[in-house]
Amino acid sequence: ETGVTQTPRHLVMGMTNKKSLKCEQHLGHNAMYWYKQSAKKPLELMFVYNFKEQTENNSVPSRFSPECPNSSHLFLHLHTLQPEDSALYLCASSHTDPGSGYTFGSGTRLTVV
Amino acid sequence: AQSVAQPEDQVNVAEGNPLTVKCTYSVSGNPYLFWYVQYPNRGLQFLLKYITGDNLVKGSYGFEAEFNKSQTSFHLKKPSALVSDSALYFCAVRPRSGYALNFGKGTSLLVTP
Repeated sequence: ETGVTQTPRHLVMGMTNKKSLKCEQHLGHNAMYWYKQSAKKPLELMFVYNFKEQTENNSVPSRFSPECPNSSHLFLHLHTLQPEDSALYLCASSHTDPGSGYTFGSGTRLTVV
Repeated sequence: AQSVAQPEDQVNVAEGNPLTVKCTYSVSGNPYLFWYVQYPNRGLQFLLKYITGDNLVKGSYGFEAEFNKSQTSFHLKKPSALVSDSALYFCAVRPRSGYALNFGKGTSLLVTP
């Protein structure tokens, strides 16, 4: 247990479904992140939240919609996904000090059918 | 632009031998440098970081990394590899002016008995 909890661990959804991924941390961190990890590709930074405000959106398609209601919780809402969106979605948190490393959750393995 | 290069997709080492996993970076200024390890179906775990000071950084599980500013490298090393070190290793860079980590594509380390 790293202190960053992601649920669910596994998710299978159809292309017309709507689902949400949840991330929670109680480490006192002020920044939270979503990354996408696909096979044989580098980790892709999707979204960055700093003190609940979105500060980066790396050209992510609108079928992915993040939400950060407070500094401890982060959601990724999914709708009308494509099979190529199947991947491991990783949440991380950190202090805003650039010298701080990230603490990662175990990820949600998403399969779009 | 900033980038992190891990030139080897896979490194194979016999147990007991020293190991090196290579990383070079291209970032303006003096970045913060990190190594993470990922075991199957898990999130990334922090190994070590370079902030400033001594070029040889010691981290978890007996790993260390050497920062070389002139070569812009941050290679991960361990004097004696264990089979349990087999995993995926990521180098990452974080600019001093921001907080988003940029990762290399990862290097798979296989330690054989």
